[in-house]
Amino acid sequence: DTGVSQDPRHKITKRGQNVTFRCDPISEHNRLYWYRQTLGQGPEFLTYFQNEAQLEKSRLLSDRFSAERPKGSFSTLEIQRTEQGDSAMYLCASSFAGYTEAFFGQGTRLTVV
Amino acid sequence: AQKVTQAQTEISVVEKEDVTLDCVYETRDTTYYLFWYKQPPSGELVFLIRRNSFDEQNEISGRYSWNFQKSTSSFNFTITASQVVDSAVYFCAGLSGGGADGLTFGKGTHLIIQP
Repeated sequence: DTGVSQDPRHKITKRGQNVTFRCDPISEHNRLYWYRQTLGQGPEFLTYFQNEAQLEKSRLLSDRFSAERPKGSFSTLEIQRTEQGDSAMYLCASSFAGYTEAFFGQGTRLTVV
Repeated sequence: AQKVTQAQTEISVVEKEDVTLDCVYETRDTTYYLFWYKQPPSGELVFLIRRNSFDEQNEISGRYSWNFQKSTSSFNFTITASQVVDSAVYFCAGLSGGGADGLTFGKGTHLIIQP
């Protein structure tokens, strides 16, 4: 296992369409995080999982966003009825439980046209 | 709530110069963790270092060094003898309050090393 992988790397979609991103964390990591990064800003926390349980969601995560992590392995992030404001880089990270460093994937760049 | 301030938006230096990136972390928690990440043009965030709030020892790793001062909530990062490959955006981040809100990142410092 060489690191966190995300798919796709780039996604262009029309406004109103649904999109789904996938993240495969480092296999021995229990925690999985989703962040969003817009141009010129630092990543902003969206949500995280401890194994298969979604333990926290940011207020940034509107009801159009949903994340799952079935069986505590890979995770998916779905955005329904995309809006132009959803255009951003979506980053996935994983870590051991606790205050350990998170390792990030290369991100999925979403463009809503 | 936590806040990370990276006051330097962009720094440009000539290769081989030393450069220090500043970071201030504000939190009400007495126990917290601080991180530095590097984001090269390829976009992937690369972990550099983690520091605990109860450990004020400075750390050196090759050309990189970190200075944590709890009294001023500062966690500064120095690159000695900078190289062009050091050019990237550097993010400082903090984690506290049980980690419920994930990492709080600063806005980043864009470091440009000119040959």
